[in-house]
Amino acid sequence: QQQVKQSPQSLIVQKGGISIINCAYENTAFDYFPWYQQFPGKGPALLIAIRPDVSEKKEGRFTISFNKSAKQFSLHIMDSQPGDSATYFCAASRGGYSGAGSYQLTFGKGTKLSVIP
Amino acid sequence: DTAVSQTPKYLVTQMGNDKSIKCEQNLGHDTMYWYKQDSKKFLKIMFSYNNKELIINETVPNRFSPKSPDKAHLNLHINSLELGDSAVYFCASSQGGLAGGGTDTQYFGPGTRLTVL
Repeated sequence: QQQVKQSPQSLIVQKGGISIINCAYENTAFDYFPWYQQFPGKGPALLIAIRPDVSEKKEGRFTISFNKSAKQFSLHIMDSQPGDSATYFCAASRGGYSGAGSYQLTFGKGTKLSVIP
Repeated sequence: DTAVSQTPKYLVTQMGNDKSIKCEQNLGHDTMYWYKQDSKKFLKIMFSYNNKELIINETVPNRFSPKSPDKAHLNLHINSLELGDSAVYFCASSQGGLAGGGTDTQYFGPGTRLTVL
């Protein structure tokens, strides 16, 4: 049972365009929603994250939009650049307590983004 | 300075062998994780561990076992390797749960590509 569904599987965007990746989750206990960026041969790295108490978070060219009622969140990359070409993963976890169970991330299946010049 | 390091980067071995992957973090974090990334890039949590608690994903075969000699290390031992174990294995760490004043961000290592022949 996949708890975080991500789409599209792949995305091709022209340089300067907007890249949009969508995710939907099922578990209403999730309260932390990060996006990770992974370049070939590297480990994933945190890009931006949001909690359900806000509907949008922006960091530079990257914005997360969050819709709690629809249980959906999305990543928008403005002015996409060839250097943004990577695989992007949305994820979700539930925290709020200490211990090894904290922040076990459930990942979406990833979106391979290619930004063409 | 490498925050989360793994050795080896590549591991090629025969079916039925026993192997270990080492992970070290120099971030002072108290929670560490192991993830498996399959050929389709799907990332799945295997274990999360801190000094007090080990959380095992129920789908992980008991041939896989984490061993932590100290807070900075979490090694992964795999017994009786099977073809289906071929994947990239990522170690990660985080500061721990919010209740303990920690943060959510998980820092990933560069990965170990395991190939079982």
